[in-house]
Amino acid sequence: DIQMTQSPSSLSASVGDRVTITCRASQGVSHWLAWYQQRPGKAPQFLIFASSTLQSGVPSRFSGSGSGTDFTLTISNLQPEDFATYYCQQYYSYPITFGPGTKVDVK
Amino acid sequence: QLHLQESGPGLVKPAGTLSLICTVSGGSITGNNNYWGWVRQPPGKGLEWIGSIYYDGSTHDNPSLKSRATISVDTSTNQFSLSLASATAADTAVYYCARQSGLCNGADCYVTFFNLWGQGTLVTVSS
Repeated sequence: DIQMTQSPSSLSASVGDRVTITCRASQGVSHWLAWYQQRPGKAPQFLIFASSTLQSGVPSRFSGSGSGTDFTLTISNLQPEDFATYYCQQYYSYPITFGPGTKVDVK
Repeated sequence: QLHLQESGPGLVKPAGTLSLICTVSGGSITGNNNYWGWVRQPPGKGLEWIGSIYYDGSTHDNPSLKSRATISVDTSTNQFSLSLASATAADTAVYYCARQSGLCNGADCYVTFFNLWGQGTLVTVSS
């Protein structure tokens, strides 16, 4: 199985900040990586696929990059609704696996 | 607009079978290149893929569940379902159904990301 790790596990930020979350795969996944946002008590929301392609309707302050084993999710100009937990997910090989999540909370 | 809704018992006895249904509304479950999956999330923890199914009945499962999970589809009712046998307390989680995009190369199709989620339903395994 491909193991996914994320760093940091949590971070504190303020509205307007630029936030970067890192996701690392235990082996190369090419660009077959997705990102999700999950607010407390809610289902995950799909943000990005193929490492850097924004899902329709996702604000442009979200961006993704990377390939192989190292990926980043960047949120520029953090907004109040962005305080949430973010998960990466690889779909390069079965079983599909998720990272453990990065919680972004208010500083 | 497509909508997914999970339904099923919120309490299952240990050693029993956890059974859930996902009803797809606003569109057909037989849509091209759409797979249908189950993901679970134990309280306070991360996400775990359980398995996925295509409308023709072909499935992909997570081996970590040691064949306890069975996913099936009923195109006549636009539903797909999950059965998880021999339930234990470790199976207590919020269970989500979700639509997945399929990536096809000729006859070979691969399950990818989850682009639409149900609201989730909490299932507790306890006596």
